[in-house]
Amino acid sequence: DTEVTQTPKHLVMGMTNKKSLKCEQHMGHRAMYWYKQKAKKPPELMFVYSYEKLSINESVPSRFSPECPNSSLLNLHLHALQPEDSALYLCASSQDSLTGGDSTDTQYFGPGTRLTVL
Amino acid sequence: GQNIDQPTEMTATEGAIVQINCTYQTSGFNGLFWYQQHAGEAPTFLSYNVLDGLEEKGRFSSFLSRSKGYSYLLLKELQMKDSASYLCAVKLFFGTGTRLTVIP
Repeated sequence: DTEVTQTPKHLVMGMTNKKSLKCEQHMGHRAMYWYKQKAKKPPELMFVYSYEKLSINESVPSRFSPECPNSSLLNLHLHALQPEDSALYLCASSQDSLTGGDSTDTQYFGPGTRLTVL
Repeated sequence: GQNIDQPTEMTATEGAIVQINCTYQTSGFNGLFWYQQHAGEAPTFLSYNVLDGLEEKGRFSSFLSRSKGYSYLLLKELQMKDSASYLCAVKLFFGTGTRLTVIP
């Protein structure tokens, strides 16, 4: 099973809402990632989890709060977002996490959650 | 800091060969990845180079020169389904991406 799943596929939320994005993988990977992708732009790294611990935070605003409950799950909690946060949010996983971001292993991406903030 | 550049758009004809370039200046290097991303879909892995030289995988090949901070992805016998964005990546950071359009 080389699949990374993400839910929901689409999400529309107001600026005062609280919502969560979920990501799951069953490949035994120990590194998991959140990326944000705007239209016609490359993915931008947000967070890296290595062995369930946050190893990289790319100066992401606190209205985005990641959580890794176990080695298969990764959540992104959203609160008080702005319209400019509307984007495709991609989750990825990879085998090697010992170097916490210096991984030489291939990343497997989920299909993403298309987020619209009104 | 990370600076990874690619041409923004390219157009090529079905059956032809196209080369997509990537130049990088990064703080550290442990290999370069190429991913393909179709519109509205997730990136999928194409190739990984860590040593200088050419890696061939079917219709796709990837080349790396570490001394020049340069890589390219070579796509042969282009098919319409190859129309997509191609992204190079170093140390979890992606290049600007190249949107390739294959025309009949």
